[in-house]
Amino acid sequence: AQTVTQSQPEMSVQEAETVTLSCTYDTSESDYYLFWYKQPPSRQMILVIRQEAYKQQNATENRFSVNFQKAAKSFSLKISDSQLGDAAMYFCAYRSGQDFGNEKLTFGTGTRLTIIP
Amino acid sequence: GAGVSQSPRYKVAKRGQDVALRCDPISGHVSLFWYQQALGQGPEFLTYFQNEAQLDKSGLPSDRFFAERPEGSVSTLKIQRTQQEDSAVYLCASSSGVGQRWNTEAFFGQGTRLTVV
Repeated sequence: AQTVTQSQPEMSVQEAETVTLSCTYDTSESDYYLFWYKQPPSRQMILVIRQEAYKQQNATENRFSVNFQKAAKSFSLKISDSQLGDAAMYFCAYRSGQDFGNEKLTFGTGTRLTIIP
Repeated sequence: GAGVSQSPRYKVAKRGQDVALRCDPISGHVSLFWYQQALGQGPEFLTYFQNEAQLDKSGLPSDRFFAERPEGSVSTLKIQRTQQEDSAVYLCASSSGVGQRWNTEAFFGQGTRLTVV
Protein backbone atom coordinates (compact mmCIF):
# COMPACT_ATOMS: atom_id res chain seq x y z
CA ALA A 1 0.00 0.00 0.00
CA GLN A 2 1.11 3.51 -0.70
CA THR A 3 1.60 6.07 2.05
CA VAL A 4 2.04 9.83 1.95
CA THR A 5 3.71 11.74 4.78
CA GLN A 6 3.60 15.45 5.46
CA SER A 7 5.82 16.18 8.45
CA GLN A 8 4.94 19.85 8.85
CA PRO A 9 1.51 20.27 10.49
CA GLU A 10 1.81 24.06 10.31
CA MET A 11 3.88 26.57 8.41
CA SER A 12 3.84 30.34 8.23
CA VAL A 13 5.39 32.79 5.81
CA GLN A 14 5.57 36.53 5.43
CA GLU A 15 3.52 37.93 2.57
CA ALA A 16 5.58 38.15 -0.66
CA GLU A 17 8.15 35.66 0.66
CA THR A 18 8.77 32.08 -0.45
CA VAL A 19 7.79 28.95 1.45
CA THR A 20 8.38 25.25 0.84
CA LEU A 21 6.04 22.50 2.01
CA SER A 22 7.45 18.99 2.34
CA CYS A 23 5.99 15.67 1.28
CA THR A 24 7.44 12.18 1.14
CA TYR A 25 5.75 9.04 -0.11
CA ASP A 26 6.31 5.34 -0.17
CA THR A 27 5.48 3.11 -3.11
CA SER A 28 6.80 0.11 -4.97
CA GLU A 29 5.22 1.25 -8.22
CA SER A 30 7.10 2.94 -11.04
CA ASP A 31 4.10 4.52 -12.73
CA TYR A 32 2.26 7.06 -10.61
CA TYR A 33 1.18 10.68 -10.29
CA LEU A 34 1.64 13.18 -7.50
CA PHE A 35 -0.52 16.15 -6.65
CA TRP A 36 -0.75 19.13 -4.35
CA TYR A 37 -4.26 20.19 -3.35
CA LYS A 38 -5.32 23.33 -1.50
CA GLN A 39 -8.27 23.21 0.90
CA PRO A 40 -9.55 26.61 2.06
CA PRO A 41 -12.13 26.94 4.87
CA SER A 42 -14.87 26.32 2.29
CA ARG A 43 -13.60 22.69 2.35
CA GLN A 44 -13.47 22.34 -1.43
CA MET A 45 -10.24 20.67 -2.56
CA ILE A 46 -8.59 22.64 -5.35
CA LEU A 47 -5.83 21.18 -7.51
CA VAL A 48 -2.68 23.31 -7.31
CA ILE A 49 -0.15 21.33 -9.31
CA ARG A 50 0.54 17.80 -10.51
CA GLN A 51 3.54 15.75 -11.56
CA GLU A 52 3.88 12.58 -13.63
CA ALA A 53 6.48 10.26 -12.14
CA TYR A 54 8.06 9.45 -15.50
CA LYS A 55 8.78 13.12 -16.18
CA GLN A 56 12.09 14.33 -14.81
CA GLN A 57 11.23 17.97 -15.32
CA ASN A 58 9.65 19.61 -12.29
CA ALA A 59 6.14 20.95 -12.82
CA THR A 60 5.43 24.67 -12.46
CA GLU A 61 2.19 26.63 -12.38
CA ASN A 62 2.73 30.36 -12.09
CA ARG A 63 3.93 30.99 -8.49
CA PHE A 64 3.79 27.27 -7.62
CA SER A 65 6.53 24.80 -8.42
CA VAL A 66 7.59 21.39 -7.19
CA ASN A 67 10.88 19.71 -6.42
CA PHE A 68 10.35 16.09 -7.42
CA GLN A 69 13.10 13.73 -6.27
CA LYS A 70 12.00 10.29 -7.46
CA ALA A 71 14.84 8.30 -5.92
CA ALA A 72 14.30 9.95 -2.55
CA LYS A 73 10.49 9.72 -2.95
CA SER A 74 10.17 13.37 -2.12
CA PHE A 75 7.73 15.88 -3.61
CA SER A 76 7.91 19.37 -2.10
CA LEU A 77 5.85 22.40 -3.07
CA LYS A 78 7.38 25.85 -3.36
CA ILE A 79 5.14 28.88 -3.25
CA SER A 80 6.81 32.09 -4.41
CA ASP A 81 5.60 35.62 -3.71
CA SER A 82 3.14 34.34 -1.10
CA GLN A 83 -0.24 36.05 -1.09
CA LEU A 84 -2.94 36.28 1.57
CA GLY A 85 -5.17 34.10 -0.59
CA ASP A 86 -2.67 31.26 -0.35
CA ALA A 87 -3.62 30.67 3.28
CA ALA A 88 -5.19 27.21 3.48
CA MET A 89 -4.55 23.55 4.24
CA TYR A 90 -2.29 21.94 1.66
CA PHE A 91 -2.45 18.23 0.96
CA CYS A 92 0.00 16.11 -0.93
CA ALA A 93 -1.61 13.18 -2.76
CA TYR A 94 -0.56 10.07 -4.65
CA ARG A 95 -2.34 8.26 -7.43
CA SER A 96 -1.32 4.94 -8.93
CA GLY A 97 -0.75 4.82 -12.65
CA GLN A 98 -1.47 1.10 -12.73
CA ASP A 99 -5.03 1.03 -11.44
CA PHE A 100 -6.46 2.01 -14.79
CA GLY A 101 -9.81 3.71 -14.50
CA ASN A 102 -9.75 4.00 -10.70
CA GLU A 103 -8.03 7.25 -9.99
CA LYS A 104 -8.41 7.14 -6.24
CA LEU A 105 -6.09 9.40 -4.31
CA THR A 106 -4.04 8.70 -1.19
CA PHE A 107 -3.60 11.89 0.83
CA GLY A 108 -1.16 13.04 3.46
CA THR A 109 -2.30 14.60 6.72
CA GLY A 110 -1.88 18.15 5.46
CA THR A 111 0.05 21.32 6.27
CA ARG A 112 -1.76 24.43 7.47
CA LEU A 113 -0.20 27.45 5.79
CA THR A 114 -0.58 30.88 7.39
CA ILE A 115 0.37 34.07 5.56
CA ILE A 116 1.58 36.90 7.75
CA PRO A 117 0.69 40.35 6.35
CA GLY B 1 -23.92 21.71 -13.41
CA ALA B 2 -20.85 23.91 -13.17
CA GLY B 3 -19.25 21.91 -10.40
CA VAL B 4 -19.73 19.02 -8.01
CA SER B 5 -22.63 19.75 -5.70
CA GLN B 6 -23.13 18.08 -2.33
CA SER B 7 -26.06 18.29 0.03
CA PRO B 8 -26.67 18.95 2.78
CA ARG B 9 -23.65 21.08 3.68
CA TYR B 10 -24.15 20.26 7.35
CA LYS B 11 -25.92 17.40 9.03
CA VAL B 12 -26.39 16.73 12.72
CA ALA B 13 -27.57 13.24 13.55
CA LYS B 14 -28.38 11.56 16.82
CA ARG B 15 -26.43 8.39 17.47
CA GLY B 16 -28.26 5.47 15.95
CA GLN B 17 -29.99 7.55 13.28
CA ASP B 18 -29.64 6.78 9.56
CA VAL B 19 -28.34 9.51 7.24
CA ALA B 20 -28.14 9.98 3.48
CA LEU B 21 -25.65 12.28 1.81
CA ARG B 22 -26.09 13.34 -1.79
CA CYS B 23 -23.53 14.06 -4.50
CA ASP B 24 -24.36 15.59 -7.86
CA PRO B 25 -21.26 15.25 -10.06
CA ILE B 26 -20.27 17.32 -13.05
CA SER B 27 -22.52 16.40 -15.96
CA GLY B 28 -21.05 13.64 -18.09
CA HIS B 29 -18.38 12.59 -15.62
CA VAL B 30 -17.96 8.85 -15.62
CA SER B 31 -16.00 8.43 -12.40
CA LEU B 32 -17.28 9.31 -8.94
CA PHE B 33 -15.46 8.98 -5.63
CA TRP B 34 -16.40 9.34 -1.98
CA TYR B 35 -13.84 10.29 0.67
CA GLN B 36 -14.09 10.65 4.45
CA GLN B 37 -12.09 13.42 6.12
CA ALA B 38 -11.83 13.28 9.89
CA LEU B 39 -10.97 16.46 11.78
CA GLY B 40 -7.34 17.42 11.26
CA GLN B 41 -6.70 14.60 8.80
CA GLY B 42 -6.43 14.15 5.08
CA PRO B 43 -9.30 12.65 3.09
CA GLU B 44 -9.46 8.87 3.01
CA PHE B 45 -10.91 6.92 0.10
CA LEU B 46 -14.25 5.20 0.69
CA THR B 47 -15.59 4.01 -2.66
CA TYR B 48 -15.45 4.45 -6.44
CA PHE B 49 -18.08 4.27 -9.19
CA GLN B 50 -17.62 4.01 -12.91
CA ASN B 51 -21.01 5.06 -14.23
CA GLU B 52 -23.49 3.01 -12.17
CA ALA B 53 -21.04 0.25 -11.32
CA GLN B 54 -19.40 0.31 -7.91
CA LEU B 55 -15.95 -1.00 -8.81
CA ASP B 56 -14.15 -0.40 -5.54
CA LYS B 57 -15.63 -0.25 -2.06
CA SER B 58 -12.51 -1.26 -0.22
CA GLY B 59 -12.47 1.91 1.89
CA LEU B 60 -15.93 1.61 3.41
CA PRO B 61 -15.24 1.22 7.14
CA SER B 62 -18.14 -1.08 7.98
CA ASP B 63 -21.30 -2.62 6.58
CA ARG B 64 -23.20 0.34 7.99
CA PHE B 65 -21.87 2.34 5.04
CA PHE B 66 -23.57 1.93 1.70
CA ALA B 67 -23.25 3.90 -1.53
CA GLU B 68 -25.18 3.83 -4.74
CA ARG B 69 -25.30 5.56 -8.11
CA PRO B 70 -28.26 3.88 -9.80
CA GLU B 71 -28.39 5.90 -13.02
CA GLY B 72 -24.73 6.73 -13.33
CA SER B 73 -25.09 10.36 -12.28
CA VAL B 74 -26.24 11.35 -8.77
CA SER B 75 -24.79 9.28 -5.94
CA THR B 76 -25.96 8.77 -2.38
CA LEU B 77 -23.82 7.70 0.55
CA LYS B 78 -25.93 6.17 3.30
CA ILE B 79 -24.77 5.55 6.83
CA GLN B 80 -26.97 3.38 9.01
CA ARG B 81 -27.08 3.50 12.79
CA THR B 82 -24.63 6.38 12.97
CA GLN B 83 -21.96 6.39 15.66
CA GLN B 84 -19.83 9.19 17.02
CA GLU B 85 -16.76 7.99 15.12
CA ASP B 86 -18.67 8.62 11.87
CA SER B 87 -18.41 12.37 12.54
CA ALA B 88 -16.37 13.76 9.64
CA VAL B 89 -16.55 15.69 6.41
CA TYR B 90 -17.66 13.51 3.51
CA LEU B 91 -16.23 14.67 0.19
CA CYS B 92 -17.39 13.66 -3.23
CA ALA B 93 -15.27 13.99 -6.37
CA SER B 94 -15.90 13.30 -10.02
CA SER B 95 -13.71 13.01 -13.09
CA SER B 96 -14.23 12.53 -16.78
CA GLY B 97 -12.93 9.05 -16.27
CA VAL B 98 -11.84 6.01 -18.13
CA GLY B 99 -9.48 6.20 -21.03
CA GLN B 100 -7.93 9.57 -20.41
CA ARG B 101 -5.38 8.63 -17.79
CA TRP B 102 -3.39 11.74 -17.09
CA ASN B 103 -6.16 14.13 -17.99
CA THR B 104 -8.63 12.71 -15.50
CA GLU B 105 -8.44 15.49 -12.95
CA ALA B 106 -10.72 14.96 -9.98
CA PHE B 107 -13.06 17.84 -9.14
CA PHE B 108 -14.27 17.98 -5.56
CA GLY B 109 -17.45 19.20 -3.98
CA GLN B 110 -17.55 21.26 -0.79
CA GLY B 111 -18.41 18.25 1.30
CA THR B 112 -20.99 17.45 3.92
CA ARG B 113 -19.96 17.92 7.54
CA LEU B 114 -21.62 15.19 9.57
CA THR B 115 -21.77 15.54 13.34
CA VAL B 116 -23.12 12.62 15.34
CA VAL B 117 -24.26 13.56 18.84
